Amino acid sequence: NAGVTQTPKFRVLKTGQSMTLLCAQDMNHEYMYWYRQDPGMGLRLIHYSVGEGTTAKGEVPDGYNVSRLKKQNFLLGLESAAPSQTSVYFCASSYQNTGELFFGEGSRLTVL
Amino acid sequence: AQSVTQPDIHITVSEGASLELRCNYSYGATPYLFWYVQSPGQGLQLLLKYFSGDTLVQGIKGFEAEFKRSQSSFNLRKPSVHWSDAAEYFCAVHNPGSYIPTFGRGTSLIVHP
Repeated sequence: NAGVTQTPKFRVLKTGQSMTLLCAQDMNHEYMYWYRQDPGMGLRLIHYSVGEGTTAKGEVPDGYNVSRLKKQNFLLGLESAAPSQTSVYFCASSYQNTGELFFGEGSRLTVL
Repeated sequence: AQSVTQPDIHITVSEGASLELRCNYSYGATPYLFWYVQSPGQGLQLLLKYFSGDTLVQGIKGFEAEFKRSQSSFNLRKPSVHWSDAAEYFCAVHNPGSYIPTFGRGTSLIVHP
């Protein structure tokens, strides 16, 4: 039972490049979330999903897109990376709407 | 809208000393309440949670938290801190009518030997 797995764990991009972060959970959870963590800012919600085929915007969605084609996967895409998107990204999932989240180990992205 | 305040950005304690991390929330009803811990380079791990019932909840690693409705607080405590407790601690609240938990900005715990 791996829980929540994020790939890749580290990535360096040049400004304007695109990439996709993959989050996979093997707990059959309905709800999935993408957060970014920056020093002094805590966790900020980018996008979330309440079930397969659904997505919704969070607090800081600009510059990101997401897809939830399969229940176990939640993809976060950056179409044209900017230095302001340098951050640590965390995926989380939840079985029910209780707010109890299970987190991945994070993906550290640097945009030069 | 709900909000969470962790008034202490950093806290420094000596190993063996007691610890209390503060958390206050703003929400009309009683939300679900959580404390998470994040070790360096790791994701967040749930320490404990409160949904209802006994207002003193026990968690992992010897932590406990007390829900005080009158103060809208959910403070985290530990009677004797170990060096391995050095980490970032996040308080979170969840309105059952929403899909989105709200996190505080975190408190960084530094433990001196």
